[in-house]
Amino acid sequence: QKEVEQNSGPLSVPEGAIASLNCTYSDRGSQSFFWYRQYSGKSPELIMFIYSNGDKEDGRFTAQLNKASQYVSLLIRDSQPSDSATYLCAPRRFSGGYNKLIFGAGTRLAVHP
Amino acid sequence: SQTIHQWPATLVQPVGSPLSLECTVEGTSNPNLYWYRQAAGRGLQLLFYSVGIGQISSEVPQNLSASRPQDRQFILSSKKLLLSDSGFYLCAWIQGQGNYGYTFGSGTRLTVV
Repeated sequence: QKEVEQNSGPLSVPEGAIASLNCTYSDRGSQSFFWYRQYSGKSPELIMFIYSNGDKEDGRFTAQLNKASQYVSLLIRDSQPSDSATYLCAPRRFSGGYNKLIFGAGTRLAVHP
Repeated sequence: SQTIHQWPATLVQPVGSPLSLECTVEGTSNPNLYWYRQAAGRGLQLLFYSVGIGQISSEVPQNLSASRPQDRQFILSSKKLLLSDSGFYLCAWIQGQGNYGYTFGSGTRLTVV
């Protein structure tokens, strides 16, 4: 079992729709969770992070966390073509005295006009 | 403000040649620094991390090594490159406990031919 599982996609949604990206993780000790966006050929950029169970909203983005189910998701409302990218889920683990993020392989999102 | 620099942006090297990639951070002190590699179509794999000068930890056995000669400098090296070393190399840093995730450099795309 992979430590972080994401559907590779592509997830295709029409412009203006809600895109729902899902992620499951295996390490119950993970305390915080990060979503990164990566455009083709570019480095990842942080979109959101969430620590507590429930929802966290930031503009068009909502992160949802359910630690009991070891599940985290990202919703993108009013999707735009500029949202087309690969979205990486990354739980944070504290091990051996340092923090590290464990990345999923990512879900490719395609927003079509 | 803090910035992270990586160079070169792209590199084409023959098999068996040496490698040196450099990463520097500005505007902060005592950062935790990380080297990740992303193979084509794959997730980010943590290679090395460093919590201070001369302190390097390796995540997986590699044909690579890392060094941290100064507080804000992190270097990735190889004595002899393999074809399998091709990929997108990313340097990242966090401050303190990393509550706000990593910040990535712009990356180096390495092609070994």
